[in-house]
Amino acid sequence: DQQVKQNSPSLSVQEGRISILNCDYTNSMFDYFLWYKKYPAEGPTFLISISSIKDKNEDGRFTVFLNKSAKHLSLHIVPSQPGDSAVYFCAASAGGTSYGKLTFGQGTILTVHP
Amino acid sequence: DAGITQSPRHKVTETGTPVTLRCHQTENHRYMYWYRQDPGHGLRLIHYSYGVKDTDKGEVSDGYSVSRSKTEDFLLTLESATSSQTSVYFCASRAADSYEQYFGPGTRLTVT
Repeated sequence: DQQVKQNSPSLSVQEGRISILNCDYTNSMFDYFLWYKKYPAEGPTFLISISSIKDKNEDGRFTVFLNKSAKHLSLHIVPSQPGDSAVYFCAASAGGTSYGKLTFGQGTILTVHP
Repeated sequence: DAGITQSPRHKVTETGTPVTLRCHQTENHRYMYWYRQDPGHGLRLIHYSYGVKDTDKGEVSDGYSVSRSKTEDFLLTLESATSSQTSVYFCASRAADSYEQYFGPGTRLTVT
């Protein structure tokens, strides 16, 4: 039972355009969401996060939107750059006594073409 | 970035042999985690630790055990490796006041 799903295995965009990566979740106990970026042969690195009390969080070119009623979040990258090409994982935490455990989606491979 | 290292970075072993992977962090983080990454599955939690000698099972713990005798070290042991445990293993750590986990560079394990 996949509680966090990224239904698009891959996404290809042109440099300078917007990249939109999507993530859906089923567990209503999740109250904190994170996006990680992963390059080949490296560990994931934290990108941006959002608490369930917010619906938007921005950090430079990266914005995460949360729609709690739809149990959906998205990551917008504007403008996209070739260096953004990587695998992106969304992750969710239930907070409380969950010990900060994260449940990850399957990942989306983003390719930004020059 | 948090200082997290993993050793070895690559290992090839035979079915039935024991294997221990090591994770070392220099941030004095209370929480540590072991994940495996497989195609189509993202990262799945194997075991986690919420303090020295305090550990618990994650989503895919069968065939794995862990130990944490010091804050900075978290060991993952495959008692008798199987081909289904061929994977990339990531360790992560987290401070008590943050949700953000910092990941190590990973260990690629191949069980033949």
